[in-house]
Amino acid sequence: AQSVTQLGSHVSVSEGALVLLRCNYSSSVPPYLFWYVQYPNQGLQLLLKYTTGATLVKGINGFEAEFKKSETSFHLTKPSAHMSDAAEYFCAVTPGGYNKLIFGAGTRLAVHP
Amino acid sequence: DVKVTQSSRYLVKRTGEKVFLECVQDMDHENMFWYRQDPGLGLRLIYFSYDVKMKEKGDIPEGYSVSREKKERFSLILESASTNQTSMYLCASSPGLAEAYEQYFGPGTRLTVT
Repeated sequence: AQSVTQLGSHVSVSEGALVLLRCNYSSSVPPYLFWYVQYPNQGLQLLLKYTTGATLVKGINGFEAEFKKSETSFHLTKPSAHMSDAAEYFCAVTPGGYNKLIFGAGTRLAVHP
Repeated sequence: DVKVTQSSRYLVKRTGEKVFLECVQDMDHENMFWYRQDPGLGLRLIYFSYDVKMKEKGDIPEGYSVSREKKERFSLILESASTNQTSMYLCASSPGLAEAYEQYFGPGTRLTVT
């Protein structure tokens, strides 16, 4: 069965520092992978997705993620954190052939001055 | 922009009450979904619908039912609310069944059952 593991339920960085949020997946078929962000008291918003093609995917707000098949990973990065990046981030995978998302447990990102 | 709206942001109900959570999308999307979100568990799929009057169970359907009488509206029903159904409920929609489609989420309903 497909699953998603996000390493670290809480990550804290300084403003201007690198953001790295880790996501590993298991899938028996080529996966489609997503990162969503949830700001306080809001629903989820798509940051970026990998379907096919280029393995480095750029998203909104300066985020990017790289699909590494050999490592079954899809880590999210941003070179320089802003205070406005404080939110909860979810990695998700769709099992082959169906538009059903399987989510990781989420990582709450805190950004301090 | 796609807009998914949910009928209430906050809801407090008593144990045993019948609870209706309503979701409406305005982009003529085929698919609609109901999730519950709990700390440390991420989002878990309760039910989804790929067409009017069609529904499929998700990973945690027990204690819930759904209704989709019109394409734009998807309702989640708790027949007899229990305290373990206290949670955040998120509705989502997507254009079709292909796995590459993103899902668009509503703002959520925080339900407390006392």
